[in-house]
Amino acid sequence: SQQGEEDPQALSIQEGENATMNCSYKTSINNLQWYRQNSGRGLVHLILIRSNEREKHSGRLRVTLDTSKKSSSLLITASRAADTASYFCATAPLDGGSNYKLTFGKGTLLTVNP
Amino acid sequence: DTGVSQNPRHKITKRGQNVTFRCDPISEHNRLYWYRQTLGQGPEFLTYFQNEAQLEKSRLLSDRFSAERPKGSFSTLEIQRTEQGDSAMYLCASSLGFEGYGYTFGSGTRLTVV
Repeated sequence: SQQGEEDPQALSIQEGENATMNCSYKTSINNLQWYRQNSGRGLVHLILIRSNEREKHSGRLRVTLDTSKKSSSLLITASRAADTASYFCATAPLDGGSNYKLTFGKGTLLTVNP
Repeated sequence: DTGVSQNPRHKITKRGQNVTFRCDPISEHNRLYWYRQTLGQGPEFLTYFQNEAQLEKSRLLSDRFSAERPKGSFSTLEIQRTEQGDSAMYLCASSLGFEGYGYTFGSGTRLTVV
């Protein structure tokens, strides 16, 4: 079963604009991660935010986490055509113990038009 | 280190045949995961190894599926008596196994059962 639910399912923007994707999840988490997947390829880890963190930055990426609402957002600033990809949130369970198993959402397909 | 390697990249097989996929993780990573991804969906967990021990299997992994990780190095995923519903991308990932680390994914094996 899939824990995370990304919103929107698809997003189309112009180069230079900002892109915001949201993720909602159901159970308590240890951390939440965002991954990018180019068509037909494997996933690439972008950023991880722990349950005791509220915001994290990495280059043009900004992630927020609201554990009270069980939601996260990923902001990509000044988007480029090369950012075109599917973006997935993934959660690690709080009670996982040593079983560090990620559960992925269905993803947001981002298209950046040149 | 060239990352996580998966072979073959593509496999077309006739229904009823057996197939085997191989995954070579990053050598320092003690954890190895198999996921399955169908079109338009996020990756779904299949199974996970810590070193050579298989610690969890999803109910998605029917008795036609078997995975091994001899000596805690590479891993194989075998599907016996393939069915059309097995057509998917099979993704392998590895991680250090510490809380707070992301996964490194391979490029996947695309299986088509005809």
